[in-house]
Amino acid sequence: VQLVESGGGLVQPGGSLRLSCAASGFTFNTSAMNWVRQAPGKGLEWVSGISTSGGATDYADSVKGRFTISRDNSKNRLYLQMNSLTAEDTAIYYCAAGWLLPPWGQGTLVTVSS
Amino acid sequence: DIQMTQSPSAMSASVGDRVTITCRASQGIRNFLAWFQQEPGKVPKRLIYVASTLQSGVPSRFSGSGSGTEFTLTISSLQPEDFATYYCLQHNSYPWTFGQGTKVEIK
Repeated sequence: VQLVESGGGLVQPGGSLRLSCAASGFTFNTSAMNWVRQAPGKGLEWVSGISTSGGATDYADSVKGRFTISRDNSKNRLYLQMNSLTAEDTAIYYCAAGWLLPPWGQGTLVTVSS
Repeated sequence: DIQMTQSPSAMSASVGDRVTITCRASQGIRNFLAWFQQEPGKVPKRLIYVASTLQSGVPSRFSGSGSGTEFTLTISSLQPEDFATYYCLQHNSYPWTFGQGTKVEIK
């Protein structure tokens, strides 16, 4: 199992960013997927989850209405579209399969700052 | 949303000590509780799922118990590599929620 996140970077407040997670080594289209984040020096926060088909999605209250999770099973990829970013969204973002089973990816750092 | 409260938030312990960390849910979550370990600078990894099932490859000194609203993670004999931060996670209902973490430090 391998998960590789990408797409992070420095973005200004109010800006947008799209994260991607490339999955390999398992049957992606039979696994629900999730995003989890960790702000610098802080604890873990579950951000969003998506069902195997992509037909069902859920979000943390802190990102609802601003973030959109999606997946492309033909490409074995998971996405997180992040809009209206604020400094509180600064974190390492990890993707994880199922009930956050190991291994996770190394994460991608998102920094929201002017 | 379900709130997860871990205790203690931090603790000091010696190699060989028995360590117990508690996680309480604000409402019943059946056994949909997982424990994660995060060593400094590393990616979190799952230790236990459905409250008491050990993840493959995790040493048997780790164990979990509980159901409903109260859960415990026990390390039977603390080893040097166990000094880390531990988190519980409820995945009984959305949004999933983590506890605030318990940092286990060397005494």
